[in-house]
Amino acid sequence: QSVLTQPPSVSAAPGQKVTISCSGSSSNIGNTYVSWYQQLPGTAPKLLIYENNRRPSRIPDRFSGSKSGTSATLGITGLQTGDEADYYCGTWDTSLSADVFGGGTKLTVL
Amino acid sequence: EVQLVESGGGLVKPGGSLRLSCAASGFTFSNAWMSWVRQAPGKGLEWVGRVKSQADGGTTDFAAPVKGRFTISRDDSKKTLYLQMNSLKTEDTAVYYCTTEMGYCTTTSCYTYFDYWGQGTLVTVSS
Repeated sequence: QSVLTQPPSVSAAPGQKVTISCSGSSSNIGNTYVSWYQQLPGTAPKLLIYENNRRPSRIPDRFSGSKSGTSATLGITGLQTGDEADYYCGTWDTSLSADVFGGGTKLTVL
Repeated sequence: EVQLVESGGGLVKPGGSLRLSCAASGFTFSNAWMSWVRQAPGKGLEWVGRVKSQADGGTTDFAAPVKGRFTISRDDSKKTLYLQMNSLKTEDTAVYYCTTEMGYCTTTSCYTYFDYWGQGTLVTVSS
């Protein structure tokens, strides 16, 4: 059971927009920054979003992040088949004194 | 270009030990906080632990499941990170990733994220 809760799967058509939610508590998301990671099949995770809504320069602006209270959201616009992957949110939990991740969300581009 | 290359994975019996290495290049290793993150087969990501830069004290932090069994060290002269795993359990079976960890910690929280990741090395604990 993950400390952060994500939907197991989401799907959308090519060209459409999708959002992935990440729900936590006051001891984690409500207390610090959230980051998001993309894991394409058979590869290592890659950083997409850090500090809630900032993108590394290597990441296209189709990817965005936001945070409100104890929840965070990853948004992906202009979906491509190459976006099919598992997506994870991550943050620090002050009660556990540990970095924690959500259980992951599998994105299918229909 | 940042590169992180893990090695040392393999098959080990329960109760055994294994040491993983992560060779870094393309950035100033001595200034970086480094972490290990693992992923059990078909499962999600799990943080294992970190070592801060020497400038920030070189201290280590660990997740509860591995505390007291795993240690993390670094050799800045060799630009290499290590994960020493003792008293291994079957539930430690996973791909282990080496990552750079950016950000900072205060007395009450951490504001960090995992910037670059290696390709991972598989550790299998089985009799």
